[in-house]
Amino acid sequence: KAGVTQTPRYLIKTRGQQVTLSCSPISGHRSVSWYQQTPGQGLQFLFEYFSETQRNKGNFPGRFSGRQFSNSRSEMNVSTLELGDSALYLCASSWPGQQYYFGPGTRLTVT
Amino acid sequence: AQTVTQSQPEMSVQEAETVTLSCTYDTSESNYYLFWYKQPPSRQMILVIRQEAYKQQNATENRFSVNFQKAAKSFSLKISDSQLGDTAMYFCAFSYSGGGADGLTFGKGTHLIIQP
Repeated sequence: KAGVTQTPRYLIKTRGQQVTLSCSPISGHRSVSWYQQTPGQGLQFLFEYFSETQRNKGNFPGRFSGRQFSNSRSEMNVSTLELGDSALYLCASSWPGQQYYFGPGTRLTVT
Repeated sequence: AQTVTQSQPEMSVQEAETVTLSCTYDTSESNYYLFWYKQPPSRQMILVIRQEAYKQQNATENRFSVNFQKAAKSFSLKISDSQLGDTAMYFCAFSYSGGGADGLTFGKGTHLIIQP
């Protein structure tokens, strides 16, 4: 099976812009979760989607949003970018009771 | 909310030695899943080992094994015969559902360096 894919791999944006990141899960997986990784805060849970429904969200401002499509692909959007949003964004696909498989991440730099 | 604590920011050992990474967690639930993930410089998160809380037997994967102490809420990772390729960040993680609705809660990580 193909692994989890994330696009784009690298992104440079300016403060105030918005950005959309994409995650395609492993075939058959219906759960996708997103994480932000920064040197200061470490790995933090953003949100989780299952069958197009957001079931849980971490402690992030409303500028961070996401959605999941009927083919289980997920997107996350960050509006009004701030310098502190610079991070590695990881997504993981999973099946309940099983392990989480991570994608390679998207490195977002906000200038 | 659950918390995961890794008290060793960095560890360094010689190749072929055995090393143990510590992890403690806090939860009021009795059923949950614990994981150790490895993140090499490539930043790809790789599952090392997984433990289901209802299983008393400690998980083992080749050179990697855990010491799961449920009452003490401790989940340490032992790496035997360490290799240069084991150099990476290691994250301990917790999930109530093991792939379900809640996602993973991570510790801050331990940077493990294997010296030649």
